[in-house]
Amino acid sequence: TQLLEQSPQFLSIQEGENLTVYCNSSSVFSSLQWYRQEPGEGPVLLVTVVTGGEVKKLKRLTFQFGDARKDSSLHITAAQPGDTGLYLCAGVRNNNNDMRFGAGTRLTVKP
Amino acid sequence: SAVISQKPSRDICQRGTSLTIQCQVDSQVTMMFWYRQQPGQSLTLIATANQGSEATYESGFVIDKFPISRPNLTFSTLTVSNMSPEDSSIYLCSVRTPGNTIYFGEGSWLTVV
Repeated sequence: TQLLEQSPQFLSIQEGENLTVYCNSSSVFSSLQWYRQEPGEGPVLLVTVVTGGEVKKLKRLTFQFGDARKDSSLHITAAQPGDTGLYLCAGVRNNNNDMRFGAGTRLTVKP
Repeated sequence: SAVISQKPSRDICQRGTSLTIQCQVDSQVTMMFWYRQQPGQSLTLIATANQGSEATYESGFVIDKFPISRPNLTFSTLTVSNMSPEDSSIYLCSVRTPGNTIYFGEGSWLTVV
């Protein structure tokens, strides 16, 4: 059982559509990160959220951290083919130093 | 930020052999970690590399199979011992900076034949 449950696992959409990816857990996290990984590369950090209820925007990407710091969402507006990749959420639990990853959402945006 | 260099970036290895992966960071960091990412899957934490002491391994990973060194605050190695095809994976080094941001290297892609 994954500590962080991501959904959906796979998502294939047309360019211009909106989408939301979810990351849920029963554990409380001191911080939660979202990464994007493209084939042949390591994960690249998109955002870190640390405060319950926090919302961060990065161009067309909106990240939200749940009030209880147990879940997060990533919303992409007007998706583009360049958004294609594996999106990973990862959390650092209180009193722990390591980071645990969700299973990832593999997004394909078709032109 | 932190720039992480991993070597080798790719290798094809014979089963039964061992391979050591190096991770070099451009700044001193307290926390270094090793992850494995099997084809099409997410990242699994292998161990935390502790400077000056034995690494802390996660469930399912043991020192005999994945010995780790951390001689200083900028360098670590992971050895994959007695490799089998099931060890074919991407092995990723990551670091946590003093600002609590975590960065990854580009990974070492191992194929065991």
